[in-house]
Amino acid sequence: EAEVAQSPRYKITEKSQAVAFWCDPISGHATLYWYRQILGQGPELLVQFQDESVVDDSQLPKDRFSAERLKGVDSTLKIQPAELGDSAMYLCASSTENRGRAFFGQGTRLTVV
Amino acid sequence: RKEVEQDPGPFNVPEGATVAFNCTYSNSASQSFFWYRQDCRKEPKLLMSVYSSGNEDGRFTAQLNRASQYISLLIRDSKLSDSATYLCVVNGKGGNKLVFGAGTILRVKS
Repeated sequence: EAEVAQSPRYKITEKSQAVAFWCDPISGHATLYWYRQILGQGPELLVQFQDESVVDDSQLPKDRFSAERLKGVDSTLKIQPAELGDSAMYLCASSTENRGRAFFGQGTRLTVV
Repeated sequence: RKEVEQDPGPFNVPEGATVAFNCTYSNSASQSFFWYRQDCRKEPKLLMSVYSSGNEDGRFTAQLNRASQYISLLIRDSKLSDSATYLCVVNGKGGNKLVFGAGTILRVKS
């Protein structure tokens, strides 16, 4: 079964440093999501792409977070500078269409120290 | 008010019990509804979509009530392996994005 690939699985970084996460969605999936999940809470949408275009980034802290999906395939999420409150699981998901069922990668667990 | 609200639980039930979870949503124009399951420190995985007429998959039954804006999940004959967090998912305001509830914790005990 096709999977969403994410790397790294785990990342420890010092506050004020830059960190980047990578996601490769299931082939052919036009919609790509980045979610952040804090322990004990549900996933919160950070940014949603349709092909290479951003369709929703209303909850993305744009002063420190950026996301791109240049060729409409894989995607990178960057945080610069990282803050202690950014410690969370960062989940990438993809779907064949907006509002359709989403398939998740295994996530990147970020710890900021 | 949150777009999707769930009772966080935990629901502690014995094996073989029937348990039901409800979820309410605020966007009356929502068209997509799902239940996801998430094991501890793992990614969410789709359990089932929820259709207007209600649907069943083995021991799991999902219902949608558009008038009251809630969806439900019924689990019959609970197994130890059903222990997990169950996430309610609805497409949010603006139509495109999928909004997750905070999840309901289920613990099935022998």
